[in-house]
Amino acid sequence: QLQLQESGPGLVKPSETLSLTCNVSGDSIRTKSYYWGWIRQAPGKGLEWIASIFYSGSAYYNPSLKSRITISVDTSKNQVSLKLRSVTAADTAVYYCARQHAGSTSDTSAYYELDYWGQGALVTVSS
Amino acid sequence: DIQMTQSPSSLSASVGDRVTITCRASQSISHYLNWYQQKPGKAPNLLIYGASSLRSGVPSRFSGSGSGTDFTLTISNLQPEDFVTYYCHQSYNFSTFGQGTKVETK
Repeated sequence: QLQLQESGPGLVKPSETLSLTCNVSGDSIRTKSYYWGWIRQAPGKGLEWIASIFYSGSAYYNPSLKSRITISVDTSKNQVSLKLRSVTAADTAVYYCARQHAGSTSDTSAYYELDYWGQGALVTVSS
Repeated sequence: DIQMTQSPSSLSASVGDRVTITCRASQSISHYLNWYQQKPGKAPNLLIYGASSLRSGVPSRFSGSGSGTDFTLTISNLQPEDFVTYYCHQSYNFSTFGQGTKVETK
């Protein structure tokens, strides 16, 4: 059974860098049919997609956050990481990692849906 | 950027009712529309992908339809566990979510 688990500091100071890791178990992230994404949800608010990355390192970003984001993969550890620089209180949110079904030539049923999610990690930006 | 307008933001219903939630995209997204259910304090859970495909294990009272710019999620015979929040998600060009619809008890 695929499981995703986010981890990282729960409190980050304004202007510093938020760093989170998503540990994937139950499947290899080196699979050609899936991207691995980050989504966040501010308290009481809706969902905001942040970025997604393929195991090869090919990534795409939310244009509104692109200048502050680094997303990376470590295939040896089966992990995906997110860094968000210069954080403010507006970046306080639950951060989720999720698997995104990209499909392939032999898997044509994909619509980039987010089919497995981690439980989320609350990150508070405060001094 | 593709904007997703989801409505209503909330609705009141009773057990056994049929409810419909709509999502409109600011431009055509073909069938790249997915629906999620989110329970309080939990991660979203995929219900429908590709506008109308029911994810394995999801009850058949959930159904989706639409293409292009207009989409609907229908829940037939509402059950007590269905009174939570639902989100649409366009995955045609990057990803954008609707604002969410909270289904409340009448």
